[in-house]
Amino acid sequence: SQTIHQWPATLVQPVGSPLSLECTVEGTSNPNLYWYRQAAGRGLQLLFYSVGIGQISSEVPQNLSASRPQDRQFILSSKKLLLSDSGFYLCAWSPIGTEEKLFFGSGTQLSVL
Amino acid sequence: DQQVKQNSPSLSVQEGRISILNCDYTNSMFDYFLWYKKYPAEGPTFLISISSIKDKNEDGRFTVFLNKSAKHLSLHIVPSQPGDSAVYFCAASENTPLVFGKGTRLSVIA
Repeated sequence: SQTIHQWPATLVQPVGSPLSLECTVEGTSNPNLYWYRQAAGRGLQLLFYSVGIGQISSEVPQNLSASRPQDRQFILSSKKLLLSDSGFYLCAWSPIGTEEKLFFGSGTQLSVL
Repeated sequence: DQQVKQNSPSLSVQEGRISILNCDYTNSMFDYFLWYKKYPAEGPTFLISISSIKDKNEDGRFTVFLNKSAKHLSLHIVPSQPGDSAVYFCAASENTPLVFGKGTRLSVIA
């Protein structure tokens, strides 16, 4: 069966510090991978998605970036965090060829102070 | 511009009664709709979906209704149970990454 791992579960970072969140999927090949963010009082906002290694689509202009160095690994990064980057970050995957049904990781609560 | 709207941020229902969560969308090209359930500090989990060729899909206590002409869908939970208390997200797709609403927090009161 497929599983998705996301870490860390919680993170407190000062403004201006870098960020690296990692997500890995097991039990499937060539998944579509996604990063979503849920900010306070807001819904799930798509940040990045990837249909293959090195292929990243950005949905929202911001100081975040994503990379997919391996087939089942997706990394969310920032060089300098802003207060507005605080939120609940979710990694998700979907089977190749479909974006319709997503399977989410357990999320990372990021607090930028 | 919000393509998927959940206009009720919260809903309280007594245990055993029906919960009705509503969702409106603006993009007529959406052809697949889903509901996700989310508990605090956890990722959302898939609940039920419906294709645009249908107007109803049922799975146990959960039923989703789709009204394409009104661009409206709803999730019915009957009977509601305390364990149903969570945030429910409506999502839509046109063979693109899912677009989510802001969610509705359901509280089922015993």
